[in-house]
Amino acid sequence: KAGVTQTPRYLIKTRGQQVTLSCSPISGHRSVSWYQQTPGQGLQFLFEYFSETQRNKGNFPGRFSGRQFSNSRSEMNVSTLELGDSALYLCASSSSTGVVLNTEAFFGQGTRLTVV
Amino acid sequence: DQQVKQNSPSLSVQEGRISILNCDYTNSMFDYFLWYKKYPAEGPTFLISISSIKDKNEDGRFTVFLNKSAKHLSLHIVPSQPGDSAVYFCAANSGGYQKVTFGTGTKLQVIP
Repeated sequence: KAGVTQTPRYLIKTRGQQVTLSCSPISGHRSVSWYQQTPGQGLQFLFEYFSETQRNKGNFPGRFSGRQFSNSRSEMNVSTLELGDSALYLCASSSSTGVVLNTEAFFGQGTRLTVV
Repeated sequence: DQQVKQNSPSLSVQEGRISILNCDYTNSMFDYFLWYKKYPAEGPTFLISISSIKDKNEDGRFTVFLNKSAKHLSLHIVPSQPGDSAVYFCAANSGGYQKVTFGTGTKLQVIP
């Protein structure tokens, strides 16, 4: 069974630009979550999608957005990039449905975004 | 406001001994707790979890203990192996949804 796939693995962008990151979940998983990891901050929850609907949202500005497609693949977009957006962005998928509670999430390898 | 806290950024343990990683939380709504292990350049890997209705869960060398009254959980690794050297994240969520709150991690080094 293929794991969670994130593309690209590395990205360098300039301040003010926008970026789109992609995540393909494990087959059959309908829940996809996004996290930002920075040194000293641990993993910060961005948002979670389930069946193309945003179900949960963390405390990030509106420049961070996402969407999920009918095949459960998800994209995350960051507009007007700032230097502080440099981080490892991790995507995780799970079999959680809201009916089946409390399942663990499986993470991809992440996309390392550097804003210069 | 850090709702899940791992106060020890690093821990060194001799191979074969017990590793104890600690985690404290403040949100009493959390009802499910997880531990993840992360190697450099890889995503976190799920290790073990515990529901708030239990106080202990064991899986091989890994045991998680939950003390709800103290809002504290710990991960015990026995015996510790060099391959266990990684960053360990404590995490928690509530209500069955995948809005997981992570701690800042503890870097474990197991010395051969």
